[in-house]
Amino acid sequence: DAGVTQSPTHLIKTRGQQVTLRCSPISGHKSVSWYQQVLGQGPQFIFQYYEKEERGRGNFPDRFSARQFPNYSSELNVNALLLGDSALYLCASSSTTGVNTEAFFGQGTRLTVV
Amino acid sequence: AQSVTQLDSQVPVFEEAPVELRCNYSSSVSVYLFWYVQYPNQGLQLLLKYLSGSTLVKGINGFEAEFNKSQTSFHLRKPSVHISDTAEYFCAVTMRGSQGNLIFGKGTKLSVKP
Repeated sequence: DAGVTQSPTHLIKTRGQQVTLRCSPISGHKSVSWYQQVLGQGPQFIFQYYEKEERGRGNFPDRFSARQFPNYSSELNVNALLLGDSALYLCASSSTTGVNTEAFFGQGTRLTVV
Repeated sequence: AQSVTQLDSQVPVFEEAPVELRCNYSSSVSVYLFWYVQYPNQGLQLLLKYLSGSTLVKGINGFEAEFNKSQTSFHLRKPSVHISDTAEYFCAVTMRGSQGNLIFGKGTKLSVKP
């Protein structure tokens, strides 16, 4: 079975540009969450989507947005990139929401802003 | 608000020695607790979780953790480590009744030496 797949694995962007990161959840999983992991820190929650609806939002500026598609895949968009947006972006999928369902993480997308 | 403190940023240990990685949390409501492991250039993998019941939780790869409500701690232990346990370990918490969004500590790098 394929796990959570994220694309691209690495990318480099310039300050002020926009970026789109993609995530395909495990087959049958309807919930996708996004986390930002800055070097030397633990992951920070950005968004959670379930059945195409936003179910949670972390403390991130409006430059960050996301959506979930009918096939449950998801995109994370970041506008007007800042140097501080450089991080590993992790996607996690779970069959549903709530603490009783395990979240499975992808390998992440390493974003470097120069 | 909830927060997680991992008291040691790095823990060096010799192979076959016991290890304890410390985690304390703060929360005004009941929480669920998790330990994740992150190998280099990979996503996060769930080691174990405490939802309710017995305060001693056993996980994968021989790890276990004990929930101590009075000390608000959830320390991770392994009686004998292997070289392959070298990785970064994250303690995380989520609130009872939440959608399952995780709040992570900053991580502890475990280095196992021969």
